[in-house]
Amino acid sequence: QVQLQQSGPGLVKPSQTLSLICAISGDSVSSNSATWNWIRQSPSRGLEWLGRTYYRSEWFNDFAVSVKGRLTINPDTSKNQFSLQLKSVNPEDTAVYYCVRGQWGNWFVPWGQGTLVTVSS
Amino acid sequence: DIQMTQSPSSLSASVGDRITITCQASQDIRNDLNWYQQKPGKAPELLIYDASNLETGVPSRFSGSASGTYFTFTISSLQPEDIATYYCQQYDNLPLTFGGGTKVDIK
Repeated sequence: QVQLQQSGPGLVKPSQTLSLICAISGDSVSSNSATWNWIRQSPSRGLEWLGRTYYRSEWFNDFAVSVKGRLTINPDTSKNQFSLQLKSVNPEDTAVYYCVRGQWGNWFVPWGQGTLVTVSS
Repeated sequence: DIQMTQSPSSLSASVGDRITITCQASQDIRNDLNWYQQKPGKAPELLIYDASNLETGVPSRFSGSASGTYFTFTISSLQPEDIATYYCQQYDNLPLTFGGGTKVDIK
């Protein structure tokens, strides 16, 4: 059974970098049939896909235009996990952040437990 | 970006009722659509993938169908444990996008 366990701070100051980690059990971050995604949810934006990393003989990344240039998603094969780094955050980045596996890259299962991140000084 | 227009935004029904939620895509997405259930304080969970395929372990009262850019999600007999918000999601094109959600409660 695949499980995703998120960790990271719940409070980040404006202009700083939001960093989260997602530890994978029951699957491999290097899987050729999965993608590893970050999705956030807020009352104003609803569910918003942010980006993904995946391995198909080499590593690929895709990002939403809304965060491109600020978002980095990195796999860590030694720890079987992947991370999110969102730079220059502002209060609009306040949301619940989820790490999620994309099964065959297409449907999201399972989801991490979610991390409420508040951007505030 | 592909816009997913979901309706209604909320509905109230009685236990045992049949309920239907719709999702319309702004362009052709073939059958590249999934449905999720989210209970308060929890992460969404996959119910239906590829428009009409039931995820393993999901009760058969849940179903999905497609007609062109118009997608339908049905609960054949609403149960108290089905109180949740339901979302559609397309994966035909990046960025992957979700509908706005339908909140379902019991009358």
